[in-house]
Amino acid sequence: KQEVTQIPAALSVPEGENLVLNCSFTDSAIYNLQWFRQDPGKGLTSLLLIQSSQREQTSGRLNASLDKSSGRSTLYIAASQPGDSATYLCAVTGTASKLTFGTGTRLQVTL
Amino acid sequence: DVKVTQSSRYLVKRTGEKVFLECVQDMDHENMFWYRQDPGLGLRLIYFSYDVKMKEKGDIPEGYSVSREKKERFSLILESASTNQTSMYLCASRGPTGAVTEAFFGQGTRLTVV
Repeated sequence: KQEVTQIPAALSVPEGENLVLNCSFTDSAIYNLQWFRQDPGKGLTSLLLIQSSQREQTSGRLNASLDKSSGRSTLYIAASQPGDSATYLCAVTGTASKLTFGTGTRLQVTL
Repeated sequence: DVKVTQSSRYLVKRTGEKVFLECVQDMDHENMFWYRQDPGLGLRLIYFSYDVKMKEKGDIPEGYSVSREKKERFSLILESASTNQTSMYLCASRGPTGAVTEAFFGQGTRLTVV
């Protein structure tokens, strides 16, 4: 059974800092990995999707990498802003078609 | 602009009631999912559907059923609501497995069973 782990569970950084969020998964037979953002009490917003054949994807200040063989992904956020404060979730899609989620990293960017 | 819409943001129901949560997507997606989200437990899959009238149990299907009569609509049914089903419920949809396709989520339904 696929298990997804996110470290750290919570992170607080001052505005302007670059930061890295980590995601690891136990079964490397995945189709893709997706990073989401969730604001309190809201649904999930898709940030980046990486196909299993890709090494990384970029969108603005966000860069996600994937090392499928080692079961790891990172989300890099450059020049963090208070508006980046949210919970960040990664999810993998395996052969059974369903998404399996990590428990998330709660990020707070302080002024 | 792609959309997954859940019928309610907040619901309060009594123990023993039959509860329907509705989800509609406008992207012609094959796959649809229902998750519940609880503090410390993350998102757990209840049921998913890969086609009309097709369904698969997720990790925690007990106490729930689903219906998918039309491609765009996926309903979650709590047959007899209990207090331990108080949770945030999230619906998602996605195109065919294996294709380059993101999953999109609705805004969530906060269900309280009293």
